[in-house]
Amino acid sequence: DTAVSQTPKYLVTQMGNDKSIKCEQNLGHDTMYWYKQDSKKFLKIMFSYNNKELIINETVPNRFSPKSPDKAHLNLHINSLELGDSAVYFCASSHGRGRSYEQYFGPGTRLTVT
Amino acid sequence: AQSVTQLGSHVSVSEGALVLLRCNYSSSVPPYLFWYVQYPNQGLQLLLKYTSAATLVKGINGFEAEFKKSETSFHLTKPSAHMSDAAEYFCAVSDQETSYDKVIFGPGTSLSVIP
Repeated sequence: DTAVSQTPKYLVTQMGNDKSIKCEQNLGHDTMYWYKQDSKKFLKIMFSYNNKELIINETVPNRFSPKSPDKAHLNLHINSLELGDSAVYFCASSHGRGRSYEQYFGPGTRLTVT
Repeated sequence: AQSVTQLGSHVSVSEGALVLLRCNYSSSVPPYLFWYVQYPNQGLQLLLKYTSAATLVKGINGFEAEFKKSETSFHLTKPSAHMSDAAEYFCAVSDQETSYDKVIFGPGTSLSVIP
């Protein structure tokens, strides 16, 4: 029974297209995150939601828009995809919005923009 | 702003040898520190975390880390490496200076285990 799941696992698309990545967690957590991991494995937070409220919004292009329909789901929509968007995107969740909480990561979505 | 550095982007050890992965942080307040492991083509999972209860923290799979305030370090060790330990390891610090909720990850260290 997967704790944090993401779909799709792989996404290959052309520049200019719009795509979405979905994330679901069944841990009962109230905080969820999106991270981007580049080709050098560097991990950077993009967004975080707590009980459907946006609490972290890092400096990412406006083309990226998160949406949290409920506290178990956090989706990421990307408009007008660019080559530089190619990366692995990870969803994560944690029990609370405190600084000591462990984060649980999904398996990642490998996005390739051609 | 807080930051994390990991000395050595790639570390190789022989099977059965000591594993030492280095992590240094910068923080003006007592930090919360984490080590995560990422196996190939998987997400990250927590190895251990320091939350000021004890300076020597034991984690899963035989790993442990020691918090040394004077050295601003949180190095990860394992007495005897196993082939299954080959993975990417990330040290992370919670950002208490600018955001209550953000965790900052280090650049990662890739561990190879030689048979």
